[in-house]
Amino acid sequence: NAGVTQTPKFQVLKTGQSMTLQCAQDMNHNSMYWYRQDPGMGLRLIYYSASEGTTDKGEVPNGYNVSRLNKREFSLRLESAAPSQTSVYFCASSAQGGSGNTIYFGEGSWLTVV
Amino acid sequence: QKEVEQDPGPLSVPEGAIVSLNCTYSNSAFQYFMWYRQYSRKGPELLMYTYSSGNKEDGRFTAQVDKSSKYISLFIRDSQPSDSATYLCAMRMTRDNYGQNFVFGPGTRLSVLP
Repeated sequence: NAGVTQTPKFQVLKTGQSMTLQCAQDMNHNSMYWYRQDPGMGLRLIYYSASEGTTDKGEVPNGYNVSRLNKREFSLRLESAAPSQTSVYFCASSAQGGSGNTIYFGEGSWLTVV
Repeated sequence: QKEVEQDPGPLSVPEGAIVSLNCTYSNSAFQYFMWYRQYSRKGPELLMYTYSSGNKEDGRFTAQVDKSSKYISLFIRDSQPSDSATYLCAMRMTRDNYGQNFVFGPGTRLSVLP
């Protein structure tokens, strides 16, 4: 089972460059999420998509955009990267109902903005 | 006061010790409680899931929820060096599938020394 797959795993960007982080899940989950994790800050929600066709801002959305391409895929775009966006990014997904009370994460994307 | 508090550690124990990891929370609406294990350079993986108050056991791991005290614990028996990781607690309010309802603790870093 692949679960949640995200690419790329590592990326170095120059300030002002743009890039898209890709995420796909094969668990038929309705909801998908993008988090960033920074030392001492824990996991912070950037954007989420409760279901296909909807997206909403989380705790730290500034500087990011998202697209829920279909039920499986949820991408995160940095339009003009800034050093403050250096972080580890995690995509996650959850179902509705019973097992929807847990959330499953990808392996992470390490982004450095210089 | 943060919604979920967790001792960041690091916590170092000898192999074979019993480990107790704890989280406190302030919102009495939380109903679903999870523990995640995160190895270095990896995504969080679901370890234990419990609903409401009580205990749940899975091998060497026991999750305990005390809703009256707003306190949850994860116990690891016969700890092994392979248990060395960061442990995150997480909780959720309702079955409704709204992304912002997952709240994470900052994580406790555990080292089990051979």
